[in-house]
Amino acid sequence: TQLLEQSPQFLSIQEGENLTVYCNSSSVFSSLQWYRQEPGEGPVLLVTVVTGGEVKKLKRLTFQFGDARKDSSLHITAAQPGDTGLYLCAGARGNTPLVFGKGTRLSVIA
Amino acid sequence: KAGVTQTPRYLIKTRGQQVTLSCSPISGHRSVSWYQQTPGQGLQFLFEYFSETQRNKGNFPGRFSGRQFSNSRSEMNVSTLELGDSALYLCASSNGQSSYNSPLHFGNGTRLTVT
Repeated sequence: TQLLEQSPQFLSIQEGENLTVYCNSSSVFSSLQWYRQEPGEGPVLLVTVVTGGEVKKLKRLTFQFGDARKDSSLHITAAQPGDTGLYLCAGARGNTPLVFGKGTRLSVIA
Repeated sequence: KAGVTQTPRYLIKTRGQQVTLSCSPISGHRSVSWYQQTPGQGLQFLFEYFSETQRNKGNFPGRFSGRQFSNSRSEMNVSTLELGDSALYLCASSNGQSSYNSPLHFGNGTRLTVT
């Protein structure tokens, strides 16, 4: 059983479109982190959300942590080819290791 | 500041052999974690070390082992390789004792292929 479920698994969109990817769990997390991984590289941290209901913006990316701290979403406005990659969410609970979702593979076509 | 360095980048081994992977964390980082990444399972936690002590271990067989040295560099070893061990092995370092407020900085991984 996957502790963190990400959806959709795959997403292919045209440049300029908006999209939202989701990260859901039945467990409560102290914080949630979002990473992006490009081919041949390791994941790179995008943002950490800590407070229930928190919204953080990173240029065209908007991250939201659910009120109950069980879920999170990532919204990308006007996607660009440079946004292509594997988006991973990871949940932290105290001193236990980070738990990762399987990721959403995004392809933005020019 | 140099990032996390993993060597080698690619490795091809035969079933039954053993392999050792190396990870040099970011200078000053004392925590090192290892993850196995496969298309089907995503990132699966292997182990976490802090100041040479293993703090957490994932649900992998005893063939998977690791250690951390006094300079925070870490190695992981897989003995009696199986085809299913083919994966990208990622090492990550952090500057705190908990990933709650100390996000992970990943290396680019070692791609292991077992034939």
